[in-house]
Amino acid sequence: GESVGLHLPTLSVQEGDNSIINCAYSNSASDYFIWYKQESGKGPQFIIDIRSNMDKRQGQRVTVLLNKTVKHLSLQIAATQPGDSAVYFCAENMRDTGRRALTFGSGTRLQVQP
Amino acid sequence: GAVVSQHPSWVICKSGTSVKIECRSLDFQATTMFWYRQFPKQSLMLMATSNEGSKATYEQGVEKDKFLINHASLTLSTLTVTSAHPEDSSFYICSASWDRATEAFFGQGTRLTVV
Repeated sequence: GESVGLHLPTLSVQEGDNSIINCAYSNSASDYFIWYKQESGKGPQFIIDIRSNMDKRQGQRVTVLLNKTVKHLSLQIAATQPGDSAVYFCAENMRDTGRRALTFGSGTRLQVQP
Repeated sequence: GAVVSQHPSWVICKSGTSVKIECRSLDFQATTMFWYRQFPKQSLMLMATSNEGSKATYEQGVEKDKFLINHASLTLSTLTVTSAHPEDSSFYICSASWDRATEAFFGQGTRLTVV
């Protein structure tokens, strides 16, 4: 089997369905969270962000939910399309303390079946 | 959004040689640039943070003498992998930001293969 660290969790959905990708973060002091989409061989692409004083934020077809009590972040994609297939990472930082480097989660591969 | 460009997109080098990767902010002045490394099927790991005109701050476990970072101008940072070995083969990604920015903008990454 594959070694730990070499396997990305995969979410497989049908085109048109809604997708929910989850992320658990570790630093309770983090105050800024971002979801990124990464296609093969490319750099991360910004999707949506949320600050710690919010629990929900909506964009075009995407919604981010933040639960600070359990340190959980989720990305909801409505009407998933084949072009949404990629690896999705959550990232966190402590922007208000000046540390603007991002700490990335382990990632989830989204596969959209036509 | 702001544009960050990396060059080259991919490079193959022989073991023991050095490789330089450039990260440029094309339409803004980047006071801070970040360098990440990503191994296959893994997440991005921060290597170092560089502020224009000062020395880079390296993350624990990253050898500063092996991964030389220069941020001599507000639009250019370079990462030089010195005496590269096959285990340095990875995807290197930079991001750039300015002081009041709410996010950092990523380059397209550089695939380094050391043979």
